Amino acid sequence: QITLKESGPPVVKPTQTLTVTCSFSGFSLHTRGVGVGWIRQPPGKALEWLALIYWDDDSRYNPSLRNRLTVTKDMSRNQAVLTVANVDPDDTATYFCAHRNAEGNTGRSFDYWGPGTLVTVSS
Amino acid sequence: QSALTQPPSASGSPGQSITISCTGTSGDIGSYNLISWYQQHPGKAPKLIIFEVSERPSGVPGRFSGSKSGNTASLTVSGLQPEDEADYYCISYAGSGSSSFYVFGTGTKVTVL
Repeated sequence: QITLKESGPPVVKPTQTLTVTCSFSGFSLHTRGVGVGWIRQPPGKALEWLALIYWDDDSRYNPSLRNRLTVTKDMSRNQAVLTVANVDPDDTATYFCAHRNAEGNTGRSFDYWGPGTLVTVSS
Repeated sequence: QSALTQPPSASGSPGQSITISCTGTSGDIGSYNLISWYQQHPGKAPKLIIFEVSERPSGVPGRFSGSKSGNTASLTVSGLQPEDEADYYCISYAGSGSSSFYVFGTGTKVTVL
């Protein structure tokens, strides 16, 4: 059974760096084609895709936020990490991580999601 | 990169059918079949209901179906049920090669009258 859970600070000050950790189980980031994606949702607004890290350390980023985002993974801990640099109040959102499948019964989709963690940017 | 365009709202009575459009460009929907749809109830994480344009994960009711024509993808809910009242989002693969990425739609709030 695949599960994911996000954790991060509830409040971050403007200009600081936000770090959100995704702890997962039920799959391996050693598996070819598998990845962990990051998505956020400001309160009352739409989903926004942020980034994706693949099993082979390849990564993809939202072009509009590319210069502020970094995704990494820690295979020993079954974790993926998203950092957002130089945050401002517009970065206030619920941050989700999701399992990006390689193939099979859900194709190459983001099929399992964590519950999300709300991060507020405020001084 | 702009979000894919969805109608802000859609509604129907129980038993009716509704269709939600998701319009992109030749650089995303028009070029790829990696299009998914998600259902999101308030305070919950999104749930995958359609992947690769028209495929349904196991456990998703058959009243949900997807299609694509040109730069527009569509989600149809046939035989609307009260529990279908939720927000719906499309997402598409976009770009190419090392510059590829994903882009979500603007979201559609579905109301069951």
